[in-house]
Amino acid sequence: QQQVKQSPQSLIVQKGGISIINCAYENTAFDYFPWYQQFPGKGPALLIAIRPDVSEKKEGRFTISFNKSAKQFSLHIMDSQPGDSATYFCAAVYNQGGKLIFGQGTELSVKP
Amino acid sequence: GAVVSQHPSWVICKSGTSVKIECRSLDFQATTMFWYRQFPKQSLMLMATSNEGSKATYEQGVEKDKFLINHASLTLSTLTVTSAHPEDSSFYICSAETGGSYEQYFGPGTRLTVT
Repeated sequence: QQQVKQSPQSLIVQKGGISIINCAYENTAFDYFPWYQQFPGKGPALLIAIRPDVSEKKEGRFTISFNKSAKQFSLHIMDSQPGDSATYFCAAVYNQGGKLIFGQGTELSVKP
Repeated sequence: GAVVSQHPSWVICKSGTSVKIECRSLDFQATTMFWYRQFPKQSLMLMATSNEGSKATYEQGVEKDKFLINHASLTLSTLTVTSAHPEDSSFYICSAETGGSYEQYFGPGTRLTVT
């Protein structure tokens, strides 16, 4: 119930394409869903986050789509660039100051 | 704002020695700090949660006597790996949250190699 399942494990996208990463959760008590971007040898950086009362959130080229009934959420990266090549983690939290439950990660490679 | 630093960024030590890693929140007071370890190509695994002035709460399976955590102030938490062994070699990352917030801010990580 505490798990967050993320897919795919790896993704190759051409420059300019759309990258889509999916996550699913079981615990309906989760109420905050962030996405993190991690470059090799670096700590994760918060990319974008959403609360379950919103179905979509967009920041620049990054969009989170949230389906509360299906308990799924996804990250869309529009106009993907080689600089977006990194590992992306979805996560979930069920109270402020609480533990982040991470997905397994998706290694994105954007080919020029 | 919300910058978290770690020191050192990398460390090599001999088996049996102890290593201390510092995590500092530079421009905010961190009510809670978290310590993670990450193996290559894997997700972050939470090791423990620490609150300023109180004992850390360790996740199941994490040896509290081996991984000593001290949260001495609202801007500093330390992780000491005692009697390190090669299997402790990993990437250790801390995060901090400001209190009453969902957001955690991560440090840059510390690469520990035990020879």
